Amino acid sequence: GENVEQHPSTLSVQEGDSAVIKCTYSDSASNYFPWYKQELGKRPQLIIDIRSNVGEKKDQRIAVTLNKTAKHFSLHITETQPEDSAVYFCAAPLRGNNDMRFGAGTRLTVKP
Amino acid sequence: EPEVTQTPSHQVTQMGQEVILRCVPISNHLYFYWYRQILGQKVEFLVSFYNNEISEKSEIFDDQFSVERPDGSNFTLKIRSTKLEDSAMYFCASRQQGYLTNEQFFGPGTRLTVL
Repeated sequence: GENVEQHPSTLSVQEGDSAVIKCTYSDSASNYFPWYKQELGKRPQLIIDIRSNVGEKKDQRIAVTLNKTAKHFSLHITETQPEDSAVYFCAAPLRGNNDMRFGAGTRLTVKP
Repeated sequence: EPEVTQTPSHQVTQMGQEVILRCVPISNHLYFYWYRQILGQKVEFLVSFYNNEISEKSEIFDDQFSVERPDGSNFTLKIRSTKLEDSAMYFCASRQQGYLTNEQFFGPGTRLTVL
């Protein structure tokens, strides 16, 4: 099966609302979990990441939570703005840190 | 701020032809990666490269693919005999060495179109 599963595939929110995207992974040895934002026609850009020795990390309106026992991690965006509209990908390493597997992506639309 | 660069930005080729995609990783980075993204789909890992050899490769990276670091700056992906289904965006990425430096920096991508 897929190493990384991501839900939902699409998410539409009103400006100012919060958005949550969830990912699960299969390799219990995974220890690094990045989130990427990809705008149309552009490269993936890292927006936040978390290592397995912490449960939560926050950077202004963006936060990531990690539950190692359940093998899932989530991206939280608060006070969403139209410029947050993009495709968001989670990722987790399959073997060590040199085989990064991406989730299927979530298309986030923030309506003004 | 240093960036990963890739050339060309767009490559059009005929089925069966060989293509070489080029990347210049960030200068002090030691791990290099190639990913592919078919239009509208997820980013797929192809291969990682460290210390002048492949460290991991995915099931996509078959005998048609090869990577090389021909000099101190370039990192190339060669597809020997392109197929229609090789049409995709190919991203190169690099990262520093070290346990605490996992972040991979992506290049702008090369759009490969196989006709």
